[in-house]
Amino acid sequence: DAGVTQSPTHLIKTRGQQVTLRCSPKSGHDTVSWYQQALGQGPQFIFQYYEEEERQRGNFPDRFSGHQFPNYSSELNVNALLLGDSALYLCASSTDWVNEQFFGPGTRLTVL
Amino acid sequence: AQKVTQAQTEISVVEKEDVTLDCVYETRDTTYYLFWYKQPPSGELVFLIRRNSFDEQNEISGRYSWNFQKSTSSFNFTITASQVVDSAVYFCALLPGHSGAGSYQLTFGKGTKLSVIP
Repeated sequence: DAGVTQSPTHLIKTRGQQVTLRCSPKSGHDTVSWYQQALGQGPQFIFQYYEEEERQRGNFPDRFSGHQFPNYSSELNVNALLLGDSALYLCASSTDWVNEQFFGPGTRLTVL
Repeated sequence: AQKVTQAQTEISVVEKEDVTLDCVYETRDTTYYLFWYKQPPSGELVFLIRRNSFDEQNEISGRYSWNFQKSTSSFNFTITASQVVDSAVYFCALLPGHSGAGSYQLTFGKGTKLSVIP
């Protein structure tokens, strides 16, 4: 049973560019959440998707957007990249919003 | 507003020692859920435990145990007879216990880095 998968593993972009990160949830999971983890910090909630809609958003600007597909996989898009967007981006899935979330290995984004 | 405080930034212990990681939380909700996750050097967060606010029983799983005290808003994690493989960053997290707007955000502490020295 495959766990949560994310692609790519690493990504290097320059300021002002746009990036798309992808996530496939664990089998049987329909809820996907995205987190940003800066070095030495805890994960910060970006947003959660359920039934192809953004159910809740954290304190992140509109440059961060997402999408969930009918097969429950999800994308995170970040426009107009800033140096401060450099971080580990984690995707997590769950069967319901109250249940434990299972995390993927993350995408390490470096903005130069 | 939800808040999780892990005051211990880094802890070092010698193998086989017991160690307790502290977690203090703040919430206005009467129903909520608490979690612990482990993040080894590989980076992937590993789920350890979920506890709801109505269940104050302490839990033990092998060398791991958790002490939930509502009166002090704490949910501490103890590793008995620590091993080198326990070296990781440990996060405590809080989730509101009711559905609706603002309820789906899992709030993490800043984590405690545990180093177990052989």
